[in-house]
Amino acid sequence: QQQVKQSPQSLIVQKGGISIINCAYENTAFDYFPWYQQFPGKGPALLIAIRPDVSEKKEGRFTISFNKSAKQFSLHIMDSQPGDSATYFCAASAGGTSYGKLTFGQGTILTVHP
Amino acid sequence: DAGITQSPRHKVTETGTPVTLRCHQTENHRYMYWYRQDPGHGLRLIHYSYGVKDTDKGEVSDGYSVSRSKTEDFLLTLESATSSQTSVYFCAIREQGFEKLFFGSGTQLSVL
Repeated sequence: QQQVKQSPQSLIVQKGGISIINCAYENTAFDYFPWYQQFPGKGPALLIAIRPDVSEKKEGRFTISFNKSAKQFSLHIMDSQPGDSATYFCAASAGGTSYGKLTFGQGTILTVHP
Repeated sequence: DAGITQSPRHKVTETGTPVTLRCHQTENHRYMYWYRQDPGHGLRLIHYSYGVKDTDKGEVSDGYSVSRSKTEDFLLTLESATSSQTSVYFCAIREQGFEKLFFGSGTQLSVL
């Protein structure tokens, strides 16, 4: 059973636009929510992460919004650039020694047109 | 890729043959993980290790075994490969006390 559901599967935006990817989780024991970015032929790389004690975290053009009561979190990419074209994965894990035991969403293929 | 080397990068094998994938790290991190990536499933945890000779099962461990005899090496073995094990396999490492996972570049395995 998929415990982290991600949408949309694919997303096309114009350069300068906002990209939004959504995830929902079921396991209330999760307390770490990272987003990974993956380019073709490469492994996933951590983009940004959040803990449930805050509702928003921003790093440059990337923002995570977190809604604990709804068990949902989302990634917003402002001023999207062609170099942002990649596959994005949300993930979740419990804490402590379980941090590396991530449950991933299905992934979103983002294409940013120039 | 954060001092992680996966080998081989590509492998084609036949159903029923044994296959071993290797993950080598130069970071001396305690935790190591094997994930597989399949379309529509994201990445799923196969096995992980929290130290030399200390391993445990992940979400999709059936048909796989692992070994870790040295801190730097984590081996994933498919005892008798099946077509359903055709996938991209990623190794990851994590430093104790930190959340961040570093991934290798992956091994593309095709089982014919």
